[in-house]
Amino acid sequence: GENVEQHPSTLSVQEGDSAVIKCTYSDSASNYFPWYKQELGKRPQLIIDIRSNVGEKKDQRIAVTLNKTAKHFSLHITETQPEDSAVYFCAARDQAGTALIFGKGTTLSVSS
Amino acid sequence: DSGVTQTPKHLITATGQRVTLRCSPRSGDLSVYWYQQSLDQGLQFLIHYYNGEERAKGNILERFSAQQFPDLHSELNLSSLELGDSALYFCASSVGELSEQFFGPGTRLTVL
Repeated sequence: GENVEQHPSTLSVQEGDSAVIKCTYSDSASNYFPWYKQELGKRPQLIIDIRSNVGEKKDQRIAVTLNKTAKHFSLHITETQPEDSAVYFCAARDQAGTALIFGKGTTLSVSS
Repeated sequence: DSGVTQTPKHLITATGQRVTLRCSPRSGDLSVYWYQQSLDQGLQFLIHYYNGEERAKGNILERFSAQQFPDLHSELNLSSLELGDSALYFCASSVGELSEQFFGPGTRLTVL
């Protein structure tokens, strides 16, 4: 089945810096890759997603890139702010096309 | 607020007991997914229902079962509870089987 690896597990940046989180997946049939942000004690919140027919997608300060050949995708956050501090999860939709398989998460800390 | 509701928010019970977690999807969503989040296993897919029918199973234990009712709400039943079942249980809903998934606030289960 699908397996998703996420790195790094923790990331500390200064306010205003950029942050990059990387994920790799194993199933070449996967075609949908969402990113979720989870604040402490809260629900995972969808922040951006990308489908396999697109190489890059941007939404204000966040962007996601996908390299299907290498089977990896990345989240880029520019001009980080303290409120960006949270756990970020990448995911890939599994071979059956329904369930999301999640990475282990990255704890992002933005200090002011 | 994603529009997905879950009850109860917290549940404390003893080993060997049985509990029922409830999820109401967003208005118009036909798909409901259940996920378990624990510190050691991360976010793991349990089961998916679409319009009342089971569509996919993940790492769901035989002691766990679920169903989706005609009004599209779903219940996750956990029986013969063990200490290791303590976790956050999230449901997510989507319009179709290949659409974005939106998470509910979760139910925190503590087994003593």
